[in-house]
Amino acid sequence: QSALTQPASVSGSPGQSITISCTGTSSDVGNYNLVSWYQHHPGKAPKLMIYEGTKRPSGVSDRFSGSKSGNTASLTISGLQAEDEADYYCCSYASSSTYVFGTGTKVTVL
Amino acid sequence: EVQLVESGGGLVKPGGSLRLSCAASGFTFSSYTMNWVRQAPGKGLEWVSSISTRSSYIYYADSMKGRFTISRDNAKNSLYLQMNSLRDEDTAVYYCARDLGYSFGDGFDYWGQGTLVTVSS
Repeated sequence: QSALTQPASVSGSPGQSITISCTGTSSDVGNYNLVSWYQHHPGKAPKLMIYEGTKRPSGVSDRFSGSKSGNTASLTISGLQAEDEADYYCCSYASSSTYVFGTGTKVTVL
Repeated sequence: EVQLVESGGGLVKPGGSLRLSCAASGFTFSSYTMNWVRQAPGKGLEWVSSISTRSSYIYYADSMKGRFTISRDNAKNSLYLQMNSLRDEDTAVYYCARDLGYSFGDGFDYWGQGTLVTVSS
């Protein structure tokens, strides 16, 4: 199972909106509404930001939103803040009851 | 408060074995599917394995099949990962993660801080 494809880096100024793409195939992203997104500050535990493509866990800011079109899922961060600077990973359920993660995107707040 | 605390990492030679543990607290451990996820140095996250609540369903990433064994002890609120025939490329921080719990595949809502496994001669 190949990793989902994400841009290596995305940057934006405080207050702006950015979008991170996550491209898979019809065997994973395109076939299931089971994409999750994680924020990871190095040295810390990853944090779930979005599950089932569009849903936010309790406590996650509504500045984070998820969507999907075909084989590509997206995470949008609106009103970018300094604390949003981190690595972000998408993850999809795939066939044969497995998961596949994305390659990861480093978000920089300028 | 949900807590997941991994232990058992360390330095091991290629071909060697190691057993990781994850102690869970703050929730009903026996009600959740549990997972291992790893991150090699400078690399992204990689799913390793999942085990259902009563160990009836167990899944592995292809590169771990036949070498890694996931298990759990619900009486001890503990998750394990037995790793055999370790290779250099297994060097990573290994995280224990709880399944969100709505359905298999919906994601991981709590993670531990991870334990570092280094495979080197």
